[in-house]
Amino acid sequence: RKEVEQDPGPFNVPEGATVAFNCTYSNSASQSFFWYRQDCRKEPKLLMSVYSSGNEDGRFTAQLNRASQYISLLIRDSKLSDSATYLCAVNKMNTGFQKLVFGTGTRLLVSP
Amino acid sequence: EAGVAQSPRYKIIEKRQSVAFWCNPISGHATLYWYQQILGQGPKLLIQFQNNGVVDDSQLPKDRFSAERLKGVDSTLKIQPAKLEDSAVYLCASSLVGQRNEKLFFGSGTQLSVL
Repeated sequence: RKEVEQDPGPFNVPEGATVAFNCTYSNSASQSFFWYRQDCRKEPKLLMSVYSSGNEDGRFTAQLNRASQYISLLIRDSKLSDSATYLCAVNKMNTGFQKLVFGTGTRLLVSP
Repeated sequence: EAGVAQSPRYKIIEKRQSVAFWCNPISGHATLYWYQQILGQGPKLLIQFQNNGVVDDSQLPKDRFSAERLKGVDSTLKIQPAKLEDSAVYLCASSLVGQRNEKLFFGSGTQLSVL
């Protein structure tokens, strides 16, 4: 089983739609979680961290479910500019330093 | 603030040739990471440095890949000899001290094509 798993998609949604992605992780000792956004042929950039209590940043909401070992990302009122690949990243502490493991990414295509 | 610098941006080589990539992290960042991203996959950690020491190289194919960060600042990643399956984007990232919840800053990457 992969350490971090995501549905690769693509998710095709119209502008204004709400879309949600899940990401499962296998290591129950994982301590912190992130969503990164990667545009085509660009480097990943941090979108948001995922806290135990859940967190929201504008149209984006991230949640963590430790019992079921998954995190989620909800995007409301999708914009054309949201089209990208969304990478889930899970942090394992390794000899005192973080080790970030990425999923394969979920591709989102927002159409007019 | 200057970001993570990588060069070259693109590299095309034939199999069995050697290639080297360079990375200069954000000034003051102690932790440096090299990731390999194959098309359609997520980034895979190859090696992680804390200053000039290796923290994790468990997924580095050591028979052909090597990396160094001699002065604890910039780093080079070398492949010798290259195989077709090494075609990928090699991403360098840095973070301040490598602790939990720290944001990683990525460079633009080097796209390697092995023919």
